[in-house]
Amino acid sequence: GENVEQHPSTLSVQEGDSAVIKCTYSDSASNYFPWYKQELGKRPQLIIDIRSNVGEKKDQRIAVTLNKTAKHFSLHITETQPEDSAVYFCAARRNSGNTPLVFGKGTRLSVIA
Amino acid sequence: ETGVTQTPRHLVMGMTNKKSLKCEQHLGHNAMYWYKQSAKKPLELMFVYSLEERVENNSVPSRFSPECPNSSHLFLHLHTLQPEDSALYLCASSQSQGSQGYTFGSGTRLTVV
Repeated sequence: GENVEQHPSTLSVQEGDSAVIKCTYSDSASNYFPWYKQELGKRPQLIIDIRSNVGEKKDQRIAVTLNKTAKHFSLHITETQPEDSAVYFCAARRNSGNTPLVFGKGTRLSVIA
Repeated sequence: ETGVTQTPRHLVMGMTNKKSLKCEQHLGHNAMYWYKQSAKKPLELMFVYSLEERVENNSVPSRFSPECPNSSHLFLHLHTLQPEDSALYLCASSQSQGSQGYTFGSGTRLTVV
C-alpha cells in the first residue's frame, strides 16, 4: 500500500520568509495529492491540491509542486505570516474505487513575528 | 460550518462505559471515514465506508465498532476503552470516485479515565 513520508516534523521561520515542506510517496499509481492545514484545536482543512497531470499549482501565497518521476511533492508558502502557524499534512491517493487518502505525519510550522 | 458535524465535541468516559460518537454530513458525499488523531500517530485511519458498506477496517481493536445506517450518518460505538484510546476522533467525508479531498468534522476530543 501507499506510504507517505513528510519532512521536516517542525519548522520555524521568520515572518516574511518562505517555508517549504516536502513529502515523498511510494505508490506510483497515486495521482491525487492534497495538503491540509490544521490550526490548534481545529479540524484539518484542505488548502491546496494537485493532480498528477500537472507539475505545479499556485494559489496566492501557497504553491505545490509535483515530481512524479521522483515521487515527491512539496508545499511552498511565501511571505509567511503569523496566521500561517499550524500543522500541515500532505496526503496521497489513487483516484480509483474507495482507496483512502494516506497522510504524512505532519509538519508543525511556527512563524515568528 | 463545513457540512460535516460531529457530536459530542468533548467526551470523558470511564473504562467500563459504553458511548457513541456521531457524525453527520450534508454534502451529498458517498464515502465517510473515521480517523484517530493523537500526538504519537497523527491522522490514523480507522474505518472507511463507501455507499454505506465498510470497505476498510484498519486493524482497529474490536472495542471500536462503526455503524453507517445511511450515506449521511456515521457512528463510532465505544466500549471498554483503555486510557491509550484518549485522542481526537475525526470524521471525514468525500466523493469516493472523484479526485477530491476530504471534508473533516471538528472532531470529538475523547478522554478515557
